[in-house]
Amino acid sequence: KAGVTQTPRYLIKTRGQQVTLSCSPISGHRSVSWYQQTPGQGLQFLFEYFSETQRNKGNFPGRFSGRQFSNSRSEMNVSTLELGDSALYLCASSLVSRITDTQYFGPGTRLTVL
Amino acid sequence: AQTVTQSQPEMSVQEAETVTLSCTYDTSESDYYLFWYKQPPSRQMILVIRQEAYKQQNATENRFSVNFQKAAKSFSLKISDSQLGDAAMYFCAYRGQAVTGNQFYFGTGTSLTVIP
Repeated sequence: KAGVTQTPRYLIKTRGQQVTLSCSPISGHRSVSWYQQTPGQGLQFLFEYFSETQRNKGNFPGRFSGRQFSNSRSEMNVSTLELGDSALYLCASSLVSRITDTQYFGPGTRLTVL
Repeated sequence: AQTVTQSQPEMSVQEAETVTLSCTYDTSESDYYLFWYKQPPSRQMILVIRQEAYKQQNATENRFSVNFQKAAKSFSLKISDSQLGDAAMYFCAYRGQAVTGNQFYFGTGTSLTVIP
């Protein structure tokens, strides 16, 4: 099976712009989670989608939003970008959303905000 | 909120030697899962090993094993016979139940260097 794919891999934006990142989960996986990874904070949970519904949300401002489509692909949107949004954004998929499920990560999208 | 602490930002080990990475966590839940993930320089996070809290037996995957001390809320990773390919950032992660909404909590990571 193909792994989790994320597009684009690299992105450069300026402050105030908005950005959309895409994640395609492993075939058959219905849960997609998003994380922000920065050197100082490690991995911070953004949100999780399961069957097109947001199941969990981390402690991030409303500028961060997401959605999931019927084919389980997910998009994450960040509006009004700030310098502090520069990070590696990781997507992870799992079969469903049980505590027992292992998450499989994509390679990430490196976002740089200038 | 649950917290996961990795107190060793960096570690190094000689090739073929053994190294132990530390992780502690804080939770009030009784049922949860613990994970170690590896993130090589290519950035793809890979699951190394996982431990169910209700199991007393420590998990083992080839050269990787854990020392799970539930009462102490400690979950260390031991890498035996270290290889150059083990060089990576290692993250400890916690996943609980209803209280945490099933979400993962990660530590800040330990960067492991393997010296030839």
